[in-house]
Amino acid sequence: AQSVTQLGSHVSVSEGALVLLRCNYSSSVPPYLFWYVQYPNQGLQLLLKYTSAATLVKGINGFEAEFKKSETSFHLTKPSAHMSDAAEYFCAVSGRASGSRLTFGEGTQLTVNP
Amino acid sequence: DTEVTQTPKHLVMGMTNKKSLKCEQHMGHRAMYWYKQKAKKPPELMFVYSYEKLSINESVPSRFSPECPNSSLLNLHLHALQPEDSALYLCASSQEAQVLYEQYFGPGTRLTVT
Repeated sequence: AQSVTQLGSHVSVSEGALVLLRCNYSSSVPPYLFWYVQYPNQGLQLLLKYTSAATLVKGINGFEAEFKKSETSFHLTKPSAHMSDAAEYFCAVSGRASGSRLTFGEGTQLTVNP
Repeated sequence: DTEVTQTPKHLVMGMTNKKSLKCEQHMGHRAMYWYKQKAKKPPELMFVYSYEKLSINESVPSRFSPECPNSSLLNLHLHALQPEDSALYLCASSQEAQVLYEQYFGPGTRLTVT
């Protein structure tokens, strides 16, 4: 079985500050990991994905994430927050044992203060 | 073009009504998905179609009936729903129903059952 834990259901940062959203996974097989963002009243948009090619993954909108197997983590970062980054962020995992299923974390609501 | 479209955007229906949700993609994807998302929660997988055949049904009540008329279209037929079925219904597609392919989500249909 696989699972994802997102630490912190709410994160608040100031505009221009570092964004760090935490995600830890549990998987018995090499995982595929994804970060999605959801703006209010919209669907999910893929930010980035890890599929075992490179441990540091760069995504859209200046976000990146680093896969750390020893820590079973896949934290999402952005050097400088923008007001438009305020949204719900979901970490998700899939693996060969799950078929095509994505297992989502509970989500982290990011607030950006001016 | 990485767009998944969904209609209608909003739907209000009574418990005795029959309605349908529609999803369309023109990316040549061979896997399509239905998710249900309650407020402040991650999406929950309902159905997966692979090459127009139903491959996963996550024990969804029979009042929800999916249909995949062709590789670009996915419908969700609704009948005799309950108020607790009110949610955002998201459609997604991926190149294939394999773990390494990311899923692209539509904007969703906001369903209210009265």
